Amino acid sequence: KNEVEQSPQNLTAQEGEFITINCSYSVGISALHWLQQHPGGGIVSLFMLSSGKKKHGRLIATINIQEKHSSLHITASHPRDSAVYICAVGRSGTYKYIFGTGTRLKVLA
Amino acid sequence: EPEVTQTPSHQVTQMGQEVILRCVPISNHLYFYWYRQILGQKVEFLVSFYNNEISEKSEIFDDQFSVERPDGSNFTLKIRSTKLEDSAMYFCASRTEGYGYTFGSGTRLTVV
Repeated sequence: KNEVEQSPQNLTAQEGEFITINCSYSVGISALHWLQQHPGGGIVSLFMLSSGKKKHGRLIATINIQEKHSSLHITASHPRDSAVYICAVGRSGTYKYIFGTGTRLKVLA
Repeated sequence: EPEVTQTPSHQVTQMGQEVILRCVPISNHLYFYWYRQILGQKVEFLVSFYNNEISEKSEIFDDQFSVERPDGSNFTLKIRSTKLEDSAMYFCASRTEGYGYTFGSGTRLTVV
């Protein structure tokens, strides 16, 4: 079983829709990252969370440490949001991050 | 905004050749990482580096791999004798205390 699970694996939405991507993990963590990977392959860090909620523009990320679950929400989605969204957790007591397999989002105009 | 810079963006090499992937982390960052992503798969940890030594490495990071911070600014990943299965996107990352990662844009390595 993967230590980091994301759902859904693929998501197609219409422009303007509210989108939620989920991440569950089974290990103790020090922090959780949400990352965005565009078709060219480059990775951009969207959020780092260790508790609570963060908001940046149309993106909102939440984490529930007790339930070992995080969500990434995109409000008023736009075709330029089309990308792979990756959840990565920093495992407690180590220097490395463990990555989920990603959620491939396509937003249609 | 400060960036992690990786060069080259794409490298093609013959099987068995040595390659060096280069990264310039953010100047005040202390922790450095290499990750790789084989096409269609998830990103995998290779190695972390702190205080001029490897702090952790994965089972992927065998004797064919080495890392170095030769001049206090560059952070390199060397693959001594490349194999076809080393073809992947290689990402460098750096961070300060508090686990705030910054990733480079990656080097796509193609071994032929």
